[in-house]
Amino acid sequence: DADVTQTPRNRITKTGKRIMLECSQTKGHDRMYWYRQDPGLGLRLIYYSFDVKDINKGEISDGYSVSRQAQAKFSLSLESAIPNQTALYFCATSESGGLGTEAFFGQGTRLTVV
Amino acid sequence: LAKTTQPISMDSYEGQEVNITCSHNNIATNDYITWYQQFPSQGPRFIIQGYKTKVTNEVASLFIPADRKSSTLSLPRVSLSDTAVYYCLVGDMGGATNKLIFGTGTLLAVQP
Repeated sequence: DADVTQTPRNRITKTGKRIMLECSQTKGHDRMYWYRQDPGLGLRLIYYSFDVKDINKGEISDGYSVSRQAQAKFSLSLESAIPNQTALYFCATSESGGLGTEAFFGQGTRLTVV
Repeated sequence: LAKTTQPISMDSYEGQEVNITCSHNNIATNDYITWYQQFPSQGPRFIIQGYKTKVTNEVASLFIPADRKSSTLSLPRVSLSDTAVYYCLVGDMGGATNKLIFGTGTLLAVQP
């Protein structure tokens, strides 16, 4: 089983619909992240959370919201989806503390807004 | 967070050694340098991390000069399967301010 699991893996939704992408992890990490990836633009940070009570905006948070339901779960919501939110979305986790650590990524969710 | 600059793309042939350099002029004392690899439609995966001098693992080597203002990821004898995007990140990875900003990375294309 994957350490970082994203659901759904693929989703097609209509403009204006609310949609939630879910992420769960079994690594016991405090930190969780949501990214989107568009062709040729690399990974852009949407939101990040350093613990259950901590939520922070990233580089491109407009049109998105998140919920950290538990240490292991971090959900990304699109309140009213629009076509330019069509992208590949990744969730990631990492440990806190220490000077060096690595991030672990989920398999990604391909979202298409029509 | 230290800003990083790396080439947008590189080409190579199978069996060659590939060196990808990343510039990070304002790296801070507590910052580590970390490289990730991403295949199409997959999440990035950690390759190597270092603080200074040289680090080597089964996948790559990381060379960091004394001033730490740049770093070079070295991939020995690349194969077609090494075609991927490579990201250089600089930051205090476990620290209170690190947000794991990835940037656009370097697209390495390996040809037969």
